Amino acid sequence: GENVEQHPSTLSVQEGDSAVIKCTYSDSASNYFPWYKQELGKGPQLIIDIRSNVGEKKDQRIAVTLNKTAKHFSLHITETQPEDSAVYFCAASIKTSYDKVIFGPGTSLSVIP
Amino acid sequence: GAGVSQSPSNKVTEKGKDVELRCDPISGHTALYWYRQRLGQGLEFLIYFQGNSAPDKSGLPSDRFSAERTGESVSTLTIQRTQQEDSAVYLCASSFLAGGWTDTQYFGPGTRLTVL
Repeated sequence: GENVEQHPSTLSVQEGDSAVIKCTYSDSASNYFPWYKQELGKGPQLIIDIRSNVGEKKDQRIAVTLNKTAKHFSLHITETQPEDSAVYFCAASIKTSYDKVIFGPGTSLSVIP
Repeated sequence: GAGVSQSPSNKVTEKGKDVELRCDPISGHTALYWYRQRLGQGLEFLIYFQGNSAPDKSGLPSDRFSAERTGESVSTLTIQRTQQEDSAVYLCASSFLAGGWTDTQYFGPGTRLTVL
């Protein structure tokens, strides 16, 4: 089955710097890659996603890149702010008769003011 | 519009008791998922419902865990004879499935279960 790895597990950056979180997946049939942000005491919230027919997607300070050949995808946050501090999860899924999404273990991001 | 809601938000129970957790998905979402998240850990898939199809129960950790869903509405996750290792946040998510691409999962706030 699909396996998603995520690195680093923890990340500290100075406010204003960039943060990069990397994920790899095992099943080449995966075609959808969402990223979720989870703040303390809350459920995960989708922040950006990418489908396998594009290599890059950007939304303001957040961008995601996908390398299907290498089965890598990454989240880039520029000009980080303290409110970006949270746990970030990458995920991968395959459209089948049902719709199972496999999540990475998460990255705890701390933005230091 | 209204998002996914879960109740209760917190539940404290004694070891050996049964608990029932409730999830109200977004109206019109045909797919519903339950996940377990232990403290500081990632999301562990438990069960998936899609319309009237047989649910995918492959993630349920033991026969003490079960879940039901009525049509495309409310779902309940039941844990019988709770154990201390069941302590976790239980998250529910729903999504709208259309032909072709996988669709986004929207999560509820979770139920924090503590087994004493």
